[in-house]
Amino acid sequence: IAGITQAPTSQILAAGRRMTLRCTQDMRHNAMYWYRQDLGLGLRLIHYSNTAGTTGKGEVPDGYSVSRANTDDFPLTLASAVPSQTSVYFCASSDQAGGYNEQFFGPGTRLTVL
Amino acid sequence: GQNIDQPTEMTATEGAIVQINCTYQTSGFNGLFWYQQHAGEAPTFLSYNVLDGLEEKGRFSSFLSRSKGYSYLLLKELQMKDSASYLCAVMADDYKLSFGAGTTVTVRA
Repeated sequence: IAGITQAPTSQILAAGRRMTLRCTQDMRHNAMYWYRQDLGLGLRLIHYSNTAGTTGKGEVPDGYSVSRANTDDFPLTLASAVPSQTSVYFCASSDQAGGYNEQFFGPGTRLTVL
Repeated sequence: GQNIDQPTEMTATEGAIVQINCTYQTSGFNGLFWYQQHAGEAPTFLSYNVLDGLEEKGRFSSFLSRSKGYSYLLLKELQMKDSASYLCAVMADDYKLSFGAGTTVTVRA
């Protein structure tokens, strides 16, 4: 059982390029999340999806888009990358949104935008 | 927005006890989580509190006081492998998690 996988593990990207970070879970969880983690700021929610076919904006959604075509996959797209999007990106999932529902995190993608 | 505060760093000796405090001000409250994150790895779940009081789970315990907007994570019998960052996260009215910046605990021999 893999849990949550993310790809790529790391990436160096030129500013202005388009980039999609992939996230797949095999736990049949309804809810999925994208966070970025920056030193001194902790994890911040970018976008979320409570169930397949629905998405919502988190705390820092600008410059990012997501889609949830099925239960397992939740890709994050940077349409035109900027240096301030240099960060470590974590995808997470939980059985349900809210309440005592532990979030399981993927291994992360380290993205550098030059 | 949500405001969650925890100390940046703590150092303790192997075998000792360390208490990591977390204070929060959020729009509503639906539970408080503690996660552990080793350097370069993903966060992993440690504990969940939604009612006041102490939850004990082996060497780790977590306490919550909703009226004070306060929680702590207690790590007992510290081991070298406990060196990590500990993240306090609050679930507010919108059922989304807001994280503190994390407390880096260093365990020394």
